[in-house]
Amino acid sequence: DVKVTQSSRYLVKRTGEKVFLECVQDMDHENMFWYRQDPGLGLRLIYFSYDVKMKEKGDIPEGYSVSREKKERFSLILESASTNQTSMYLCASSPQFGTGVVEQYFGPGTRLTVT
Amino acid sequence: AQSVAQPEDQVNVAEGNPLTVKCTYSVSGNPYLFWYVQYPNRGLQFLLKYITGDNLVKGSYGFEAEFNKSQTSFHLKKPSALVSDSALYFCAVRDMSNQAGTALIFGKGTTLSVSS
Repeated sequence: DVKVTQSSRYLVKRTGEKVFLECVQDMDHENMFWYRQDPGLGLRLIYFSYDVKMKEKGDIPEGYSVSREKKERFSLILESASTNQTSMYLCASSPQFGTGVVEQYFGPGTRLTVT
Repeated sequence: AQSVAQPEDQVNVAEGNPLTVKCTYSVSGNPYLFWYVQYPNRGLQFLLKYITGDNLVKGSYGFEAEFNKSQTSFHLKKPSALVSDSALYFCAVRDMSNQAGTALIFGKGTTLSVSS
């Protein structure tokens, strides 16, 4: 089974702190994604990566950056956390297009609270 | 613009009754459609997908979905609901604007509540 793990289930940070959210997948997937989930808004794509060191902005990249130095790991960085970044953050992975597998596999999520 | 709509925030159904969770989509070209389920404080679990072929797709936990191209819909169904089916359900469509990433566009989610 595909396993996607996230470094923390719950995280509390102060305004202005630099925050790192880590995601690791064990299925050698090329694509990795970061979403945030807010009530009534569904999932919104922050950033995704289709290869090591490659990244593309999603719908709401402002205030975030990402890093992908190894294929299995995709990090989301909040450069200076703000209260409006309090949310559930979900990481996902999928193999490259053309393999016949197009669904994404999700980690358990990190609930981040910024105070 | 590509989009997914889930017109109902909440669906209530009695255990043993059939359930339907609605989804409509708007994409250019042939859609890749998905349903995911989320239990409290958990990540999303893949239920089923439609890529091509038979319009009725069967998935996990007894769920199925019907693709209707003329109505641009992909409704999730189950013949007999269980209390354990109570969860948050998301419909998604592949973002055709970026093939390399195979990103998904998600609906806002529908809370399914099954009463005993």
